[in-house]
Amino acid sequence: QSALTQPASVSGSPGQSITISCTGTSSDVGGYNYVSWYQQHPGKAPKLMIYEVSNRPSGVSNRFSGSKSGNTASLTISGLQAEDEADYYCSSYTSSSTTVFGGGTKLTVL
Amino acid sequence: EVQLVESGGGLVQPGGSLRLSCAASGFTFSSYWMSWVRQAPGKGLEWVANIKQDGSEKYYVDSVKGRFTISRDNAKNSLYLQMNSLRAEDTAVYYCARDLGSYDILTGYASSHFDYWGQGTLVTVSS
Repeated sequence: QSALTQPASVSGSPGQSITISCTGTSSDVGGYNYVSWYQQHPGKAPKLMIYEVSNRPSGVSNRFSGSKSGNTASLTISGLQAEDEADYYCSSYTSSSTTVFGGGTKLTVL
Repeated sequence: EVQLVESGGGLVQPGGSLRLSCAASGFTFSSYWMSWVRQAPGKGLEWVANIKQDGSEKYYVDSVKGRFTISRDNAKNSLYLQMNSLRAEDTAVYYCARDLGSYDILTGYASSHFDYWGQGTLVTVSS
């Protein structure tokens, strides 16, 4: 049950777009469309941003989008805003009937 | 409004035990799978365990199998995590979360995502 692989950090300027990758295996990301993304601000609980690869919960900005190709899922944030600065985690269901998270990516808005 | 409120965290010595609780409100608790997710200080999220609506199915991350037990009391709208034989590496903020997924008749339940989270309770294992 190894963690999914995410870049430790990404950055972008306001208004720009960034993409965060999340790489797993055929036993998790590649095997199921149960990839989700969470945003976490310091000292706060995680917030669901994307579920089942590309679906947005009600209330989440359409600047957030998700996709998947093979064993790698991606979160794209367009029109970066200062409030997007946070940690982002991907997660996936696994063939062991468990859930695995990525190591997390710190997004800095320059 | 959906609310999840964890309690029961604290300081415990290595080898000790602790029972976490999560009080749910604002939704029909008995209709949902539930999960525990933890986060060590300064580290990432780690899924710990989940439990079916009636408590008849439970799954755990390998690192807690045999030491932690997830349970629920639908009459009290409460989720629990009994933690035994605690280790320093169990030190973390523990979150309860509502677990959404789907059932396949062949493979069983597949957890898709966690749509609501509590604020967390801190467990510190140290002598």
